[in-house]
Amino acid sequence: GENVEQHPSTLSVQEGDSAVIKCTYSDSASNYFPWYKQELGKRPQLIIDIRSNVGEKKDQRIAVTLNKTAKHFSLHITETQPEDSAVYFCAAQRDNDMRFGAGTRLTVKP
Amino acid sequence: GAGVSQSPSNKVTEKGKDVELRCDPISGHTALYWYRQSLGQGLEFLIYFQGNSAPDKSGLPSDRFSAERTGGSVSTLTIQRTQQEDSAVYLCASSLWGLNEKLFFGSGTQLSVL
Repeated sequence: GENVEQHPSTLSVQEGDSAVIKCTYSDSASNYFPWYKQELGKRPQLIIDIRSNVGEKKDQRIAVTLNKTAKHFSLHITETQPEDSAVYFCAAQRDNDMRFGAGTRLTVKP
Repeated sequence: GAGVSQSPSNKVTEKGKDVELRCDPISGHTALYWYRQSLGQGLEFLIYFQGNSAPDKSGLPSDRFSAERTGGSVSTLTIQRTQQEDSAVYLCASSLWGLNEKLFFGSGTQLSVL
């Protein structure tokens, strides 16, 4: 099955700085790559996603890039704010099989 | 209901006992997933249901784990002869078709095996 690796496991940035989280996947047939944010004690929620026919997608301060050849994708958060502090999960899906990375704990220091 | 509902929210059990965890997906959603999240860890895939198709059980960690989905709606995850390493949050998620779309997660069941 699909194997998704995510780095770094923890990330600490100063408010206003950018944060980048990277993921790689193993199955070249995967074609959907969502990112979920999980705040402490809450359920994961989708923040952005990208499909394999697109190289980049942006939504306000959040952007995701996809390199299909290298089988990696990244989440970029600009102008970070304390409320961005959470655990972020990447995922890769092939057909109905959705597999998640191990998560990145992002801390934004005010 | 408006979202994915899981029950119980917390379950404390003794080692060796069986437990059943319940998930009510969003009405009309054909795809249902179970994941396990150990403390500070990622989302470990357990099992996936899609409509009337045979479930994908490839993530179940042992034969003590089983799941069913009745009538294409409610799902129960059963853990037999629980062990301490089964302690985790068990998350259920559903989506309309399961393909290239957002998963809606429940709030999870926190299972503690003493």
